[in-house]
Amino acid sequence: SQQGEEDPQALSIQEGENATMNCSYKTSINNLQWYRQNSGRGLVHLILIRSNEREKHSGRLRVTLDTSKKSSSLLITASRAADTASYFCATSNYGGSQGNLIFGKGTKLSVKP
Amino acid sequence: NAGVTQTPKFRVLKTGQSMTLLCAQDMNHEYMYWYRQDPGMGLRLIHYSVGEGTTAKGEVPDGYNVSRLKKQNFLLGLESAAPSQTSVYFCASTKDLPGQPQHFGDGTRLSIL
Repeated sequence: SQQGEEDPQALSIQEGENATMNCSYKTSINNLQWYRQNSGRGLVHLILIRSNEREKHSGRLRVTLDTSKKSSSLLITASRAADTASYFCATSNYGGSQGNLIFGKGTKLSVKP
Repeated sequence: NAGVTQTPKFRVLKTGQSMTLLCAQDMNHEYMYWYRQDPGMGLRLIHYSVGEGTTAKGEVPDGYNVSRLKKQNFLLGLESAAPSQTSVYFCASTKDLPGQPQHFGDGTRLSIL
């Protein structure tokens, strides 16, 4: 069963602009993670935010988590053509799914030079 | 450092044929996972293993079997392939706790005719 739902499904921006992707989920979580998938490749872990954290930064990435709204956002600042990829959120709930990750359907980001 | 390696990368099968997908990791990880990725569906967990000699069912286990005879290897078998099993299969691993960041292979693209 899908837990996370990313929004929008697709996003097209110009290089240098910021990209914001949102993820909503249904049940309580222990942590939420974001992954990137380049075309034809496997997923690569970007960042993990725990349920007791509200914001986390990693380089040009900023992730927020609002557990009251069951939602998270991923902001990529000053985007580059190399950021073109699909981005997935994944949630972990140690109680409900033995901690296994449940992935959303992804946001396809296209950054035009 | 190879990380997670999947073989083969591509395969075409006829309905009713059987095959085994191999996943190997060189990071000494305890947990290993098999997912399938279909267009618009995100990743869905097929089977997983929490250690050598153990396996467990995920969200979509029907039609698949797995084995974890050695810690570094996780095999996914299709006993009698069906067109509905046409998909991209990803293997992933994580160190010693569920819900932690997963390391993915680059996938096996499988077509069932």
